[in-house]
Parts: sequence; structure tokens; C-alpha cells
Amino acid sequence: EVQLVESGGGLVQPGGSLRLSCAASGFTFRTYDMNWVRQAPGKGLEWLSYINRGSSHIYYADSVKGRFTISRDNAKNSLYLQMNSLRAEDTAVYFCARDRAATAREGGMDVWGQGTTVIVSS
Amino acid sequence: QSVLTQPPSASGTPGQRVTISCSGSSSNVGSNPVSWYQQFLGTAPKLLIYSNNQRPSGVPDRFSGSKSGTSASLAISGLQSEDETDYYCAAWDDSLNGRVFGGGTKLTVL
Repeated sequence: EVQLVESGGGLVQPGGSLRLSCAASGFTFRTYDMNWVRQAPGKGLEWLSYINRGSSHIYYADSVKGRFTISRDNAKNSLYLQMNSLRAEDTAVYFCARDRAATAREGGMDVWGQGTTVIVSS
Repeated sequence: QSVLTQPPSASGTPGQRVTISCSGSSSNVGSNPVSWYQQFLGTAPKLLIYSNNQRPSGVPDRFSGSKSGTSASLAISGLQSEDETDYYCAAWDDSLNGRVFGGGTKLTVL
């Protein structure tokens, strides 16, 4: 079964850090580009970051640029999101999602994890 | 304020055909493929349409997508009660160098 499972969410104080992980199974992870997307409580979807299969092309939303870092370990079939300088407005459910296309512009995220919740609060 | 503009709500009766619009600009919808997602409360989004009008396997042909210029649309024909949920459009934005979503449309089946 094709599956993505996020972990690493939790409660963190403003200014703190957290590292999210996304474990992939059921498909050849190293041949797919990946994304992180979040959803704040009661709000819509917000794309955060994209990394291509070889980690040579990485993009970020302006809202997290300079604070969040996406990375992957193809040997471990895993995607990561290092989140630093966290703010209250970063409180959200964080999803990892597989890109079905060969390039970022083509789009289409066809496999999603169940999400992990991050709460930034003192 | 989302880069892509969707109506916050839409509605229809069972069996009816409804459309949800997604308005963008030349840097996103106007120059890149649009995808559509369906999301039920508390669950992960599901890809409904990619490359403007392509359906992944398993998505009923009641769902269709189209694009013209800087606007895209999702059409749902033969509306069913289980279609009542949230829908989002997305596209790559060449100016922002990132992916952007619409604000989402809540579909109600009357």
C-alpha cells in the first residue's frame, strides 16, 4: 500500500524548534518529488515547501523562508521539515504530499499523509 | 488573502451540475497547470484533477476540470450528497516561485 506517515508534531513554545518527519512506503520514494503543506485550524491549505527527488531543487513559501528547511533521505525513504523560530501562526496540521509530476510546475499532489499537529503556544 | 480566488461557498441539489471557479493571474493559472483537491473535515486532501482536466484513477467521471486564460473551473455533474465538502484549486506561481492554493470552496448539497 502506498503510504505517507508524518510524525514529530507537538506543543512547542514560541521561538522554539521542531523537526517533522514523513516516512514513505509502498512506492519508490527516490523517484518522486515531495512537498509539505499545512492547514491552520479552520483555515485553508497552505503550501510550504517542495523538494525534488535529488534535492537539487528546493522552494519555500515566503511565510516560512529562512525559518523552515526541507530535506530528504532517499536511503531511509524519509522526508523532513526542520522548523525554527516558531510562531503562534505556525500552529497547524502539517501534511507531507507526493508530487505526481516530473517538475514542480506541473503540479498534482497525489498521495498525502494523515498529518501531524503542531501547536505553538506558551 | 489567497493568490488564487475561489468563491467561499457553492450549492446545488442532488443530480444537478455545479461548477466552482478558480481565478488567478498570468504568473500562475495563466501559465501553469491547475490541480483540484477534495477535503473532508479532519482528513487529508485528495487529488481530484491534475493538469487542468486529468482525473487520477479512481476519481469518478462526474468530476471534470477546465481552464481558460487565467481562470479554471471544477465541474461536478450528477451531484450527490457525499460530494458535500471543501474543494481547493492549486497551481505553480512563476513570480512567487512556489505553489499556491485557492482559499477553498465549501460545497453544500441542498
